[in-house]
Amino acid sequence: EDKVVQSPLSLVVHEGDTVTLNCSYEVTNFRSLLWYKQEKKAPTFLFMLTSSGIEKKSGRLSSILDKKELFSILNITATQTGDSAVYLCAGGTSYGKLTFGQGTILTVHP
Amino acid sequence: GAVVSQHPSRVICKSGTSVKIECRSLDFQATTMFWYRQFPKQSLMLMATSNEGSKATYEQGVEKDKFLINHASLTLSTLTVTSAHPEDSSFYICSAMEGGYGYTFGSGTRLTVV
Repeated sequence: EDKVVQSPLSLVVHEGDTVTLNCSYEVTNFRSLLWYKQEKKAPTFLFMLTSSGIEKKSGRLSSILDKKELFSILNITATQTGDSAVYLCAGGTSYGKLTFGQGTILTVHP
Repeated sequence: GAVVSQHPSRVICKSGTSVKIECRSLDFQATTMFWYRQFPKQSLMLMATSNEGSKATYEQGVEKDKFLINHASLTLSTLTVTSAHPEDSSFYICSAMEGGYGYTFGSGTRLTVV
């Protein structure tokens, strides 16, 4: 059975802090690792990682995948209150199925 | 980019009635769509894989007679929650794979059964 585990489950920081969210996966027919941000409604796509060791960046967010260790991290630098959300990691198979982790609840205080 | 349209966004129904949720790929053909359910403060759980022209594949523990999935065309999949009960109240969301890599989500449907 496919499995994705995220840590920590929740995190409380102050504006300006840097956070690292972790995601480990065991997914048969693995193709890609995805990160999403979820606030009130549907998840918002952040990154899709398919190659090991290549960092993807988008503003203050960055992510990298280690296919040998079956692990990915999401970094957020200079956090803002608007970063408060649930961050979901998902392992994707070659035919499109996504297995989600439990999510990390990030709370950024002013 | 690829867009998946999901309707309705919110529905309230009486216990014992059925509710249909539609998921439509607007600018691409989706031979496979996925239906997820998310209970409050929990992550998304895959319910079933919907395949165009064939029967859906359900995950363990999901009742196929209760959650009817129809994928009659390359752009439309529907999920019908039959004889809904309050415990079926949840956030239902579909996704489709576009091309070889892209995953696109619908906007989700919040179902409340009273």
